[in-house]
Amino acid sequence: EIVLTQSPGTLSSSPGEGATLSCRASQSISSRSLAWYQQKPGQAPRLLIYAASSRATGIPDRFSGSGSGTDFTLSISRLEPEDFAVYHCQYYGSVFGFTFGPGTTVDI
Amino acid sequence: QVHLVQSGGEVKKPGASVKVSCKTSGYTFSNYGITWVRQAPGQGLEWMGWISTYLGNTKYAQSFQGRVTMTTDTSTGTAYMELTSLKSDDTAVYYCARTIATSLDYWGQGTPVTVSS
Repeated sequence: EIVLTQSPGTLSSSPGEGATLSCRASQSISSRSLAWYQQKPGQAPRLLIYAASSRATGIPDRFSGSGSGTDFTLSISRLEPEDFAVYHCQYYGSVFGFTFGPGTTVDI
Repeated sequence: QVHLVQSGGEVKKPGASVKVSCKTSGYTFSNYGITWVRQAPGQGLEWMGWISTYLGNTKYAQSFQGRVTMTTDTSTGTAYMELTSLKSDDTAVYYCARTIATSLDYWGQGTPVTVSS
């Protein structure tokens, strides 16, 4: 079973700065099956990136995803106040279904 | 516009069952599966299972096998998730989400379920 690890657990940053979030899989996975979500307090998650690097509909281009094999990255080029949230990575496998990482909190 | 609207919050006693609904609109229901995910207070996201809205077949997470049942009503575009033998650690917000290939592109607003004696 694939286990996803996210780092850092918490990232303290400021508006205007860039942010790099990491998601590491316990074994090599298909990049087609890796997604990222943003979740704000009291809200449902929102799909940001699918297939490791494709932005979902309506997602600003300051969000970008990259990676392959076991290491994947979500980058935010210039943090806006509304970007302070929790970010989850997710893998889909045909045997075990969906697996989520523990999340990275981006706070001020 | 795609919308998934879930039923309201529930309070249940240990041992009881809960059934959460997820009414969809804005797209062809049978073209996308529905996934259920839950989130315990202060915790991460936990996948519960998936149902094909076209064929009705299901895939459940091992940790919920035997306790969860997912169904759909294609006439109303509504998906349902029933969880039985509730325990205190089933207290969580339960989400439905439209499934597109290997990701979840639209989510319901969440249904809080509290299990307490």
